[in-house]
Amino acid sequence: GQSLEQPSEVTAVEGAIVQINCTYQTSGFYGLSWYQQHDGGAPTFLSYNALDGLEETGRFSSFLSRSDSYGYLLLQELQMKDSASYFCAVGSQAGTALIFGKGTTLSVSS
Amino acid sequence: DVKVTQSSRYLVKRTGEKVFLECVQDMDHENMFWYRQDPGLGLRLIYFSYDVKMKEKGDIPEGYSVSREKKERFSLILESASTNQTSMYLCASSFAGANQPAYNEQFFGPGTRLTVL
Repeated sequence: GQSLEQPSEVTAVEGAIVQINCTYQTSGFYGLSWYQQHDGGAPTFLSYNALDGLEETGRFSSFLSRSDSYGYLLLQELQMKDSASYFCAVGSQAGTALIFGKGTTLSVSS
Repeated sequence: DVKVTQSSRYLVKRTGEKVFLECVQDMDHENMFWYRQDPGLGLRLIYFSYDVKMKEKGDIPEGYSVSREKKERFSLILESASTNQTSMYLCASSFAGANQPAYNEQFFGPGTRLTVL
């Protein structure tokens, strides 16, 4: 079967750093993506890793290790507005369907 | 500004009714997707389409069908709605092709919260 595992909840305070891990087991692999979804909103794309290593976009970074079937999303200098659900997703074929994890709810407090 | 729109934000239907959920994208994307989202279960793929009149089953196609007669429009059909189809339905679209972030990103609509009584 195909599955992605990520923690269900993470809590942190403003200004802190938090890491959301994702391990995957899929029949094919065409990159690991991360999406953010605020309560009541639509998921929005955050980052994508096709190759091993770290990709940085402002306060957010994403890491991939294909040999370990593992990746993480790193959020730095947390702000209240970062409170949301974060989903990792794996593409089994370029440009087509993604398999999503069940999501991690991040709560940032002051 | 890229846009995916869905016909309704909220919908209430009765058991046994035929339900149509419409999705339109204005980005000339080849791929379109229908997901349902339930608490604790994440996003689960129902059907997707990579071209007009083409469709592929996702993980949970039972009880659903789809139609794609035009590139910009992808419809999800519940032939006979049941209470266990009460859920949030999300449509998304993306480019097809090369293994590049621009092609991998999916753009989501605002969702339709369907309640079946």
